[in-house]
Amino acid sequence: EAQVTQNPRYLITVTGKKLTVTCSQNMNHEYMSWYRQDPGLGLRQIYYSMNVEVTDKGDVPEGYKVSRKEKRNFPLILESPSPNQTSLYFCASSPRLAGVETQYFGPGTRLLVL
Amino acid sequence: KQEVTQIPAALSVPEGENLVLNCSFTDSAIYNLQWFRQDPGKGLTSLLLIQSSQREQTSGRLNASLDKSSGRSTLYIAASQPGDSATYLCAVLLHPNSGGYQKVTFGTGTKLQVIP
Repeated sequence: EAQVTQNPRYLITVTGKKLTVTCSQNMNHEYMSWYRQDPGLGLRQIYYSMNVEVTDKGDVPEGYKVSRKEKRNFPLILESPSPNQTSLYFCASSPRLAGVETQYFGPGTRLLVL
Repeated sequence: KQEVTQIPAALSVPEGENLVLNCSFTDSAIYNLQWFRQDPGKGLTSLLLIQSSQREQTSGRLNASLDKSSGRSTLYIAASQPGDSATYLCAVLLHPNSGGYQKVTFGTGTKLQVIP
């Protein structure tokens, strides 16, 4: 089954404790992206990757890091999480963004930073 | 900077009614616009994607239109059903020449409730 998976689905952590949220897709997609969703603000793009070793900032990259060493994986790293990073995070992938192909979204990771 | 607005934020209608959801964007130099559905506790599911050169797209009871010059898109849902209850989001991809290529901007969504 074609899908985007994220782990963990739920995470409670404390300020400053490094964490990684994994994202994996099995569709051989070139484009992958991370979003955060907050009430009243909608989904905002954090980082995206057009292919292996090619990443770029979205609208809200501060406090986050990403890497794309393999085509299927696009982990999101919070080196020193803070309470304002409490949010619902989504990973998405697409064959390529600029075309008729849609983005496929993962189920989301709900993060609480105390 | 592209801003995407969806009004109303919430909408409640009786089953069977036809309805229209609105999406407005400030930068008309878009590459495409997409409508998504989000169910509580779940990810987003793509409904329709309209290329900038297109005026509308249809899928079953859904019809999405795009007017680039006025910065507007609408999602028309015919004969609404309780199963249509969800949050509907629109998202725009900027045109490469706008310098925001590969960047996607989402609206804040319209929460729809269809009452049986």
